[in-house]
Amino acid sequence: QSVLTQPPSASGTPGQRITISCSGGNSNIGRNTISWYQQLPGTAPKLLIYINNQRPSGVPDRFSGSKSGTSASLAISGLQSEDEADYYCAAWDDSLKGWLFGGGTQLTVL
Amino acid sequence: EVQLVESGGDLVQPGGSLRLSCATSGFTFSTYWMTWVRQAPGKGLEWVANMKQDGSEKYYMDSVKGRFTISRDNAKNSLYLQMNSLRVDDTAVYYCARHGSAATGGAFEIWGQGTKVTVSS
Repeated sequence: QSVLTQPPSASGTPGQRITISCSGGNSNIGRNTISWYQQLPGTAPKLLIYINNQRPSGVPDRFSGSKSGTSASLAISGLQSEDEADYYCAAWDDSLKGWLFGGGTQLTVL
Repeated sequence: EVQLVESGGDLVQPGGSLRLSCATSGFTFSTYWMTWVRQAPGKGLEWVANMKQDGSEKYYMDSVKGRFTISRDNAKNSLYLQMNSLRVDDTAVYYCARHGSAATGGAFEIWGQGTKVTVSS
């Protein structure tokens, strides 16, 4: 099971702003940075956000991340049809000595 | 161009073994942590194991400890995953991924396309 909790689904209309939450605990999000990944249908995951709110080059600034305490969020503004994908959060867990992924959120653009 | 190419996935019976390989190019392999992540059919991502640049540190998820072994050959720019005592619930696409530097918080920066492992009788 995932120790990082994400809503299983989210949806929005083109142009809308949506957020996806990721809830963890003191040993993971509380102490370490979080990253977010986008997985388009049938493809490998792609890094979207690192160190809570940093975007790799090439990722549009429509994508933003934040973290507070033991929770984090991914926001997507100006929603586009090509944003329809699965999104995962991830963080290192100091107690488990391993990486954790959230269960994933399937984003539908209506 | 940075590339990670996995191979070795196959259909194997429960209790069997398999060795996955990840051939890399386009970057200095010996300077990066590397990881294996898997994804069962229709399920989410699950971290499996990772390994430090010189092999001095290795970490595994609980359910594969004692059965899987991660290794690397820096001379061949390759990462491996030896999987023994395979179980039906090990069925998944296995991805090789490169961690970023400390400046990225060790995020999984680059991913391969995955190799499919099916454990079934």
